[in-house]
Amino acid sequence: EADIYQTPRYLVIGTGKKITLECSQTMGHDKMYWYQQDPGMELHLIHYSYGVNSTEKGDLSSESTVSRIRTEHFPLTLESARPSHTSQYLCASRQLGGHTEAFFGQGTRLTVV
Amino acid sequence: AQSVTQPDIHITVSEGASLELRCNYSYGATPYLFWYVQSPGQGLQLLLKYFSGDTLVQGIKGFEAEFKRSQSSFNLRKPSVHWSDAAEYFCAVGAYTGNQFYFGTGTSLTVIP
Repeated sequence: EADIYQTPRYLVIGTGKKITLECSQTMGHDKMYWYQQDPGMELHLIHYSYGVNSTEKGDLSSESTVSRIRTEHFPLTLESARPSHTSQYLCASRQLGGHTEAFFGQGTRLTVV
Repeated sequence: AQSVTQPDIHITVSEGASLELRCNYSYGATPYLFWYVQSPGQGLQLLLKYFSGDTLVQGIKGFEAEFKRSQSSFNLRKPSVHWSDAAEYFCAVGAYTGNQFYFGTGTSLTVIP
């Protein structure tokens, strides 16, 4: 069954640590996205990708970086975590075309202490 | 520029009552419209989508939505709400030519017995 997976689901980490949030999809989608969402709040697009070796920053400025070396994999990295990075991070993917829906992972809840 | 507005931040309804969640969009061409639901601590699940054709679309869990071009609206409805419908609801628009996917700010639904 096609799906999109995020790991870890929950992460508590100390300030200054480097972390990578994993996102993988088995649907062969070209477009992938990272959203940041504070509790009960809207989704803010922080990164997106059209395909392999293509990455763009989203509407919300973020200190994170992403890479897209393989179609199925779109990891997000924070070089030095800070308490302000505490949030939920949602990964999504879509097929090409404006009419296609986005499929979401279950999210990673990050807490930086 | 594309945008999505959900005027109601929070709605409370009684179980068994009818529900309507509002969504207005701004887009220069025919939009592709979506409704998603998010349970606490989870990712987003697609309820329904509109591309073209019949302006009344049926979705999962008994939801439906009506596209009204003259009002730039895509309101979500359900005839009889169940306690399990309590969640966050997001309206979204997919750009025809672009790669981004725009979300509204969300409406939080509380269902009271």
